[in-house]
Amino acid sequence: DTEVTQTPKHLVMGMTNKKSLKCEQHMGHRAMYWYKQKAKKPPELMFVYSYEKLSINESVPSRFSPECPNSSLLNLHLHALQPEDSALYLCASSQSGLNTEAFFGQGTRLTVV
Amino acid sequence: GENVEQHPSTLSVQEGDSAVIKCTYSDSASNYFPWYKQELGKRPQLIIDIRSNVGEKKDQRIAVTLNKTAKHFSLHITETQPEDSAVYFCAASSNGGYNKLIFGAGTRLAVHP
Repeated sequence: DTEVTQTPKHLVMGMTNKKSLKCEQHMGHRAMYWYKQKAKKPPELMFVYSYEKLSINESVPSRFSPECPNSSLLNLHLHALQPEDSALYLCASSQSGLNTEAFFGQGTRLTVV
Repeated sequence: GENVEQHPSTLSVQEGDSAVIKCTYSDSASNYFPWYKQELGKRPQLIIDIRSNVGEKKDQRIAVTLNKTAKHFSLHITETQPEDSAVYFCAASSNGGYNKLIFGAGTRLAVHP
């Protein structure tokens, strides 16, 4: 299984809502990532988890809250988002260690209204 | 931090021609350079990668070259086909424990039959 699975595929939420994005992989990868991709732009790194511990937070606003419940799952909790947070949110995973391939999920297309 | 520049932003070729995309990076500690292809509405998918101990790597119609001294790397696609049409992203990673990928801005390749 070389898939990274994200749910939901699409999400529309109001600025006062709380929602969560979910990501799952069963490749035994110990590094997992959240990226944000705006239209016609490259993916931008948000968070990195290594061995279920948060290793990198790229100065992401606190309205985005990541969680790694176990080595296969990664969540992104959303609260009080702004319309400019509308984007494609991509999860990725890779083996830990030196410079290994990052596998991306198909993304969650988020619209904040 | 790392900065990756990618050129050209758009590239239009006739089927059967070659396409070349170039990237430069700023962090001399970077040692892993993947290339991702992203079709419209789909996830980024790795097409080829190169590590700093190698100068060139080839996989069928796709090749990547790396010049560490000049801090640039290039993607070469030969005998292009319409299904090669997509956005291509180069990336650089310098963190040994996991992939903190910094992406270039992307190149939109159009292959015309």
